[in-house]
Parts: sequence; structure tokens; C-alpha cells
Amino acid sequence: KAGVTQTPRYLIKTRGQQVTLSCSPISGHRSVSWYQQTPGQGLQFLFEYFSETQRNKGNFPGRFSGRQFSNSRSEMNVSTLELGDSALYLCASSFLAGDFPNYEQYFGPGTRLTVT
Amino acid sequence: AQSVAQPEDQVNVAEGNPLTVKCTYSVSGNPYLFWYVQYPNRGLQFLLKYITGDNLVKGSYGFEAEFNKSQTSFHLKKPSALVSDSALYFCAVRDSRNAGNMLTFGGGTRLMVKP
Repeated sequence: KAGVTQTPRYLIKTRGQQVTLSCSPISGHRSVSWYQQTPGQGLQFLFEYFSETQRNKGNFPGRFSGRQFSNSRSEMNVSTLELGDSALYLCASSFLAGDFPNYEQYFGPGTRLTVT
Repeated sequence: AQSVAQPEDQVNVAEGNPLTVKCTYSVSGNPYLFWYVQYPNRGLQFLLKYITGDNLVKGSYGFEAEFNKSQTSFHLKKPSALVSDSALYFCAVRDSRNAGNMLTFGGGTRLMVKP
């Protein structure tokens, strides 16, 4: 079974621009979560989508947004980029099945975003 | 609120020796606990989890972890370290009272295994 894929793997943007990152979960997984990883703040939860609905949101400004499509693929968007948005953005997918949830999340390789 | 602490930024161990990477947590409800490993320029790889049941959990690559409710700890262990175990290790927790999959991660511990 193919793992979580993220595109692009590397991205360089200029301050003030916007960016869209894509994540394709493992086949059959319906939950997609996004995390930001930086040397200073570590791994921080951005948001989670399940069946096209945002279920949880972390403590990030409104410039960070996301969505999930009917095939469970997800995108996250960052508008008006700031230097501090430079980070590794990780997507994780998980399969939830009623009374028998499978709790571990499987992570993709990440998108390295550099804002100059 | 849920939180995780990994008190050691780095752990050094000789190959063949046992290793321990420490993790303590705080949650309001019951904890769901996880260990992940990250190699350079890679995403996180799942090692093991504790949801309920036996306090000693066995995972991938010979790793295991012991859940201790009274000490709110979930330390990662391996009886005999390999040089290839050198990586960044993250402990994570989810509170059973929270719907969804939001994980809170510790700051990470860099494991260095020397030949």
C-alpha cells in the first residue's frame, strides 16, 4: 500500500505571497492532519479534516487554512507569507472505523517551505 | 489541555548497550501515547502506541515502551542499541476526551548511538 504523499517536496516563496500544499493520504484513510515543524517551536498541530469537515484546529492565525476533498486528499493554504512560516509541513493520515478506531497516524515526507 | 515533556535533548549510548528515551505527559482524560522516529529529511515513522491494556508495549525495530500511570510516563526502551537507531525521537499524546486525532508532541530527543 502506498504511503502518504505530499507535493511539492520543496518550495521557495517570497514574503507576502501565498502557497498551497497538497497531501494524498493512504488509500482508505479518511482523516488528514497537518503539522508544522520548526527548530524553535517543534511540531505543532495545524488542523485535522475528516470526511471533508474540519474537526480540530490548532493555534495558528487565519492565514493558515485547509480543506479536504471527497477522495480524502487535502490541501493547506498559507496566505501573505511571513519569514516565520519557513518550516517543514507534515501531513498525516489515519483510518477511523466506528467502534474500532485505529489511532496511529502515518506521516508523509513533508514539504519544506522556505520564505525569503 | 494535553502536553508532553521530553527532558533530554540528546541521549548518547554505545552500540549494544540498552537505551532509554524519557517522556512524561499531562492530560485531563485517559492518555493515548505514541512514539515516532524521524530520520534526516524524512517524515515521522510510527514506532509504537499505548491505547489501553498491558503497560509494556512492543513496537517496531525492537523498541518497547512502558506506560506508568502513577508517574505519567511513557519511556521508550531498547535492550541493545544499534548505530542505525541514531535519529530524532518524538513522544506524542492525545487526550481521550478530545475528538479527532490532534496529537501534542514533545520537543524531541536526539539519540546518538556510537560504535
